[in-house]
Amino acid sequence: NAGVTQTPKFRVLKTGQSMTLLCAQDMNHEYMYWYRQDPGMGLRLIHYSVGEGTTAKGEVPDGYNVSRLKKQNFLLGLESAAPSQTSVYFCASSHTGFRYEQYFGPGTRLTVT
Amino acid sequence: AQSVTQLGSHVSVSEGALVLLRCNYSSSVPPYLFWYVQYPNQGLQLLLKYTSAATLVKGINGFEAEFKKSETSFHLTKPSAHMSDAAEYFCAVSEKGTALIFGKGTTLSVSS
Repeated sequence: NAGVTQTPKFRVLKTGQSMTLLCAQDMNHEYMYWYRQDPGMGLRLIHYSVGEGTTAKGEVPDGYNVSRLKKQNFLLGLESAAPSQTSVYFCASSHTGFRYEQYFGPGTRLTVT
Repeated sequence: AQSVTQLGSHVSVSEGALVLLRCNYSSSVPPYLFWYVQYPNQGLQLLLKYTSAATLVKGINGFEAEFKKSETSFHLTKPSAHMSDAAEYFCAVSEKGTALIFGKGTTLSVSS
């Protein structure tokens, strides 16, 4: 069991470039999440999905899009990167419902110059 | 609206000393409460959670937390710190059916 994996681990983008972060889980979880972590801010929810084909906005969704075409994958896209999107991005998954433990991936460190 | 406050962004203890990390929450209904730990350059992992069963919750690595409704608190404790406990700790709250809200984190340093 790999758990939750994230690709890539590191990325440097120039302002205005686009990219997609891939998250995969092999635990057959229904819920998946994308967070960003910034120093002194804790984790903030960007978007989440409660099942295949569904997505919903979290606390800080602006500038990001997501897709959940397959149950095991959750993609986070940045269409036009900005320096304010420099952060560490974490994907997580859980069984049905927010009361269940979330399993986190190792993170993607993104720098936008 | 739910919220969570972690008192103290940085806590330092000596090896063998008591660890106390503070968390207060705001919720209009009985919440689910969690403590997660993050070791350097890793993702978060669950330490323990409160889901309206016993008010004293035991977690992994000797940590425990007590839910006190009257004080709206869910403080994390460990009787004797170990060097391997050095990490960042996050308290999180979820009202029933809503997404988790994380605190800003407390970095625990352990000195020998």
